[in-house]
Amino acid sequence: DADVTQTPRNRITKTGKRIMLECSQTKGHDRMYWYRQDPGLGLRLIYYSFDVKDINKGEISDGYSVSRQAQAKFSLSLESAIPNQTALYFCATSDSSYSSYNEQFFGPGTRLTVL
Amino acid sequence: QQQVKQSPQSLIVQKGGISIINCAYENTAFDYFPWYQQFPGKGPALLIAIRPDVSEKKEGRFTISFNKSAKQFSLHIMDSQPGDSATYFCAASRGSTLGRLYFGRGTQLTVWP
Repeated sequence: DADVTQTPRNRITKTGKRIMLECSQTKGHDRMYWYRQDPGLGLRLIYYSFDVKDINKGEISDGYSVSRQAQAKFSLSLESAIPNQTALYFCATSDSSYSSYNEQFFGPGTRLTVL
Repeated sequence: QQQVKQSPQSLIVQKGGISIINCAYENTAFDYFPWYQQFPGKGPALLIAIRPDVSEKKEGRFTISFNKSAKQFSLHIMDSQPGDSATYFCAASRGSTLGRLYFGRGTQLTVWP
């Protein structure tokens, strides 16, 4: 039973389509993150949320939007997908308590292909 | 501007050898330096982490060496095994209050049997 789940796991879509990637967690963590992974570029932060009412842009937020529907749910949207958004997307969570020192727990990833 | 620079991008090591991955940072406010390990088809997972009040941390075959004055830290994998083949990411953050991690670009390690 996964603590951080992502849906869908794979998605192929066409340029211009709106896409939503969803993330749910059962860890009870307050912080959630969206990253994209590209070969040779590592993990780049798209958006992060420290609680339900807190949303922050990461280093590559252009072309993306997010929604924190509840403490356990954090969705990433591509309003009009383009081919260079083809990537592996990861959701992660962490606990703000000092003892955790911000260890992040990652979901299994969503492979998105934009044709 | 990349906050954490990681090298090499790829590394091939023979079984039983030592794997060394290096990272460097500029922001002296960073006070937490984790390493994440990612196997194919999986999300990254925390492997080992260090705070700058110590120069070395060892967990089994994995050791972080930290040089505060040089603003560098490295991961050493002793007696490397084929099961260690994975992508390794170094990262840095300014403690739990600010929270976000700044990742290096990753090193793909292959250990040949």
